[in-house]
Amino acid sequence: GIQVEQSPPDLILQEGANSTLRCNFSDSVNNLQWFHQNPWGQLINLFYIPSGTKQNGRLSATTVATERYSLLYISSSQTTDSGVYFCAVPSTGFQKLVFGTGTRLLVSP
Amino acid sequence: DADVTQTPRNRITKTGKRIMLECSQTKGHDRMYWYRQDPGLGLRLIYYSFDVKDINKGEISDGYSVSRQAQAKFSLSLESAIPNQTALYFCATSARDSPYEQYFGPGTRLTVT
Repeated sequence: GIQVEQSPPDLILQEGANSTLRCNFSDSVNNLQWFHQNPWGQLINLFYIPSGTKQNGRLSATTVATERYSLLYISSSQTTDSGVYFCAVPSTGFQKLVFGTGTRLLVSP
Repeated sequence: DADVTQTPRNRITKTGKRIMLECSQTKGHDRMYWYRQDPGLGLRLIYYSFDVKDINKGEISDGYSVSRQAQAKFSLSLESAIPNQTALYFCATSARDSPYEQYFGPGTRLTVT
């Protein structure tokens, strides 16, 4: 099945810093989502981005499907950005999402 | 109000007990899913339902059963809970015309002692 790798696995930032998170996938996909899992365990939808670039406030995402990667940009990070960031792509075998390995982000004041 | 809700949010139960986790949604989506999350294993699909009369097993359905009582409600049951079912359980929904744009509930943290 499709493999989804994320980098870096861990990231520590000072408040106000910018960061780029990467998601690589092993097969071509026509859908991709980014999620933020907050410290309470909730999975928050960030972007549904099969291709191109989207922006939402301090966050933006770019997917280059032909090169099998997606990037999530966080600008002017805040402590509330802490948590784990996942990308997820379809697995046609079970009609489910395959989640990446995650990037654990800690933003310190 | 949240679009996808789960009850209970936290539950501690004993081995051998029957337990039901409930999910409701107001998004009007046809498709609903149950996943579990374990540390280091990511999210795994337990069951999914395309509509009230269409329920399918996922990759780890053993020990679980589901009921789709209405388009908006999808329940997960553990018939006889065991400790390795301790996990974070998520319900998710998606629209028929965008099945891989999934929206997740807040999760239920289940501990089986």
